[in-house]
Formats: sequence, structure tokens, C-alpha cells
Amino acid sequence: EAQVTQNPRYLITVTGKKLTVTCSQNMNHEYMSWYRQDPGLGLRQIYYSMNVEVTDKGDVPEGYKVSRKEKRNFPLILESPSPNQTSLYFCASRSLGQNYEQYFGPGTRLTVT
Amino acid sequence: GIQVEQSPPDLILQEGANSTLRCNFSDSVNNLQWFHQNPWGQLINLFYIPSGTKQNGRLSATTVATERYSLLYISSSQTTDSGVYFCAPAYSGAGSYQLTFGKGTKLSVIP
Repeated sequence: EAQVTQNPRYLITVTGKKLTVTCSQNMNHEYMSWYRQDPGLGLRQIYYSMNVEVTDKGDVPEGYKVSRKEKRNFPLILESPSPNQTSLYFCASRSLGQNYEQYFGPGTRLTVT
Repeated sequence: GIQVEQSPPDLILQEGANSTLRCNFSDSVNNLQWFHQNPWGQLINLFYIPSGTKQNGRLSATTVATERYSLLYISSSQTTDSGVYFCAPAYSGAGSYQLTFGKGTKLSVIP
């Protein structure tokens, strides 16, 4: 089954404790991205990657890192999480080119205390 | 970047009623998707519709890219249609692509 998977689905952590949210897709998509969703603000893009070893900032990259060492994986790293990073996070992927839709993972609900 | 406006922000329907959700966007786009976010938070692809009309069961969508709007029609609504509906247009060019999400329409279907 074609899908985007994220782990963990739920995470409660404390300020300053480094964490990684994994994202993997099995559709051989070149493009992958991370979004965060907050009440009243909608979904905002954090980082995206057009292909292996090619990453770029989205609209809200502060406090996050990403890497793209393999085509299928695109982990999101919070080196020193803070409470304002409490949010619902989505990973997404799509093929490059004009006529392709984007697929989203199930979401990771992160709480930083 | 692209500005996206969805209306109405909230909608309450009696089960069986029909509705139309609207999405206006500020710039030229060659991609547009509609999503349904269910009460458990999952984003479900409804339509990929940069232009024209598509139908999928009780749902259909129309995008008029030249006039910068898209419509989502829900007919014979059911309680399982409840949730938030997002429109997300994008311009896909060489080396660039970003979906911009509207703030959504929150739909509540009551029995």
C-alpha cells in the first residue's frame, strides 16, 4: 500500500530534550516536506526537500533541522524543543513535476512541557 | 506568496443537506488540492483539481483557475462528513513547489 508513515504518532517531552520524528514514504517520491498545524494558524511549511541531499527552509524553520540522506526518509529533528513547538506535525511527499498530488502522513502530536 | 481565503469558516448542516464550500486564491496556480481533516486529525486527500470539474461519489469539485477560485460540493451530507475542509493551491515550477493552505471550513453535520 502506497503511504507516508510517521513515528511516533504521539510524544510528550520536556524542554531541551532532543528528539527526532521520522518520516518514510514508499512511493519513490522526490519531494518531501514537513508542516506544523496550530489552532487559528492553519498548516505551515517547516522544511522541504526536492531530492536526496537537497533541503530548503519553508515558512517556519526556526528551531528545526532536517536531513535527506535517502530518498524514502525525511526525519525532522528538534535539537532543543521548547513549549512553542507543541503542535501537530505532518510529513508529506509527492512526485516532482506539475501534475502530481501531495500525500500526507497520519500526523505526530507533540507536546513539549 | 499565495493568499488563500476559504468560506464559510464554519458550517452546520442537518444530515441529508447539501453544501458548497468556496476557496479564493490570490495568484496563478497550476496545482490545487482539497483535503478533509477528520476529527482524529488525519488529512485525507479529496481531490487534485488544478482546473475543471471532478466527482467522487457525493463530493465534487470545480476549479476555475482563470478566476482564481475553487468550489467543493457536498451532497446528501452524512455525520461522517464532519471535520475541517482545506483548500491548498500551489504553483509548481522548476525547482519550486509549495502548497499554501487556507484556514479551512469547519463542517458539523448533525443527525
